[in-house]
Amino acid sequence: SQQGEEDPQALSIQEGENATMNCSYKTSINNLQWYRQNSGRGLVHLILIRSNEREKHSGRLRVTLDTSKKSSSLLITASRAADTASYFCASGPIYGGSQGNLIFGKGTKLSVKP
Amino acid sequence: GAGVSQSPSNKVTEKGKDVELRCDPISGHTALYWYRQSLGQGLEFLIYFQGNSAPDKSGLPSDRFSAERTGGSVSTLTIQRTQQEDSAVYLCASSLARGLSSYNEQFFGPGTRLTVL
Repeated sequence: SQQGEEDPQALSIQEGENATMNCSYKTSINNLQWYRQNSGRGLVHLILIRSNEREKHSGRLRVTLDTSKKSSSLLITASRAADTASYFCASGPIYGGSQGNLIFGKGTKLSVKP
Repeated sequence: GAGVSQSPSNKVTEKGKDVELRCDPISGHTALYWYRQSLGQGLEFLIYFQGNSAPDKSGLPSDRFSAERTGGSVSTLTIQRTQQEDSAVYLCASSLARGLSSYNEQFFGPGTRLTVL
């Protein structure tokens, strides 16, 4: 079952604006990751934040993690038309075993208009 | 190779036929994952291979689905007696897995788009 839920489901902004996407999850995690998908094909890893981290930056991306609220946000600053894609969060739950599969949310479809 | 490759990129089949989807992971990656993505939806986990351990098959939707990973490298996902609801993009990913419960970055292939008529 999908434990990650992103919101909004769809977001449309103008080039140059910031885009914020949120993700919630249900169980305790080892880390949380964000991925990007163009045109319904393979996903590309963007950033990973560990459960003991609260904020992480990578270029124009900023990710926050609030384990008390079981939520994360992805901020893309100064958006570009090329940022148009679907964005997924993926959580790595702590089962106490050797399972290594991430649990993906349903994604936010971002559209950046030039 | 430079990345994860999958074949075929597109597969159209008739209901009731069997199909095989192939995944070549990144060399040296011990973990391999199969996911399914229906149109406009998120990723649905199917199966996970880690080294020589027994695979985690908990995501396989029915006994018509099976997967193998030969020699710890190439994997084949087989769907028997395909149904129209099996139509989806099947994505494969691999990662370096370090230790138990270690969730590392996954590298995805381009996927196989399966259409069952």
